[in-house]
Amino acid sequence: DTAVSQTPKYLVTQMGNDKSIKCEQNLGHDTMYWYKQDSKKFLKIMFSYNNKELIINETVPNRFSPKSPDKAHLNLHINSLELGDSAVYFCASSAPLGFEGNTIYFGEGSWLTVV
Amino acid sequence: DAKTTQPTSMDCAEGRAANLPCNHSTISGNEYVYWYRQIHSQGPQYIIHGLKNNETNEMASLIITEDRKSSTLILPHATLRDTAVYYCIVMSLDMRFGAGTRLTVKP
Repeated sequence: DTAVSQTPKYLVTQMGNDKSIKCEQNLGHDTMYWYKQDSKKFLKIMFSYNNKELIINETVPNRFSPKSPDKAHLNLHINSLELGDSAVYFCASSAPLGFEGNTIYFGEGSWLTVV
Repeated sequence: DAKTTQPTSMDCAEGRAANLPCNHSTISGNEYVYWYRQIHSQGPQYIIHGLKNNETNEMASLIITEDRKSSTLILPHATLRDTAVYYCIVMSLDMRFGAGTRLTVKP
């Protein structure tokens, strides 16, 4: 079983559209994340949710809205897509960080291309 | 923002040990050193972590200096499949990635 799964894996869409990327984890973790990796390959944290509550929001535009219906899911909704949103988006989950042995597990990524 | 410094790229011959250095001179006493790798834009994969002591698992060894200001990840017998970007991360309450080291294992 895949620990952190994301759908869709590939998404091509036009500018101005609204799209969602879904993420689910079956590890029983309380904390989930979204990371963005752009064309320059830098991997940057976007959001962190702990037990459905927003913990980190790294100055991401308001067009990006994470939604956590329960602690096993953290979906990313993007409004009015722009060309610069083209990137690979990674979902991840962990037990509370800062404690021995807790680490982050990543999904395989969702490749978003805005044309 | 990343708290670590790593070389941009390194090469290693297949079958030899790959030693990847990382400087983290501003590390705090309660911050762990974690290593991840990313193979060709797949999801980052956990390798190993440590606080003060050297650590070893089935994938790698982690050597942390006594002052904890630097560490080295050792892949004892590198294979072609170990070609990836390796990230050294100092983690407290969140995980922030730097640019990493692109390791190329050559035949």
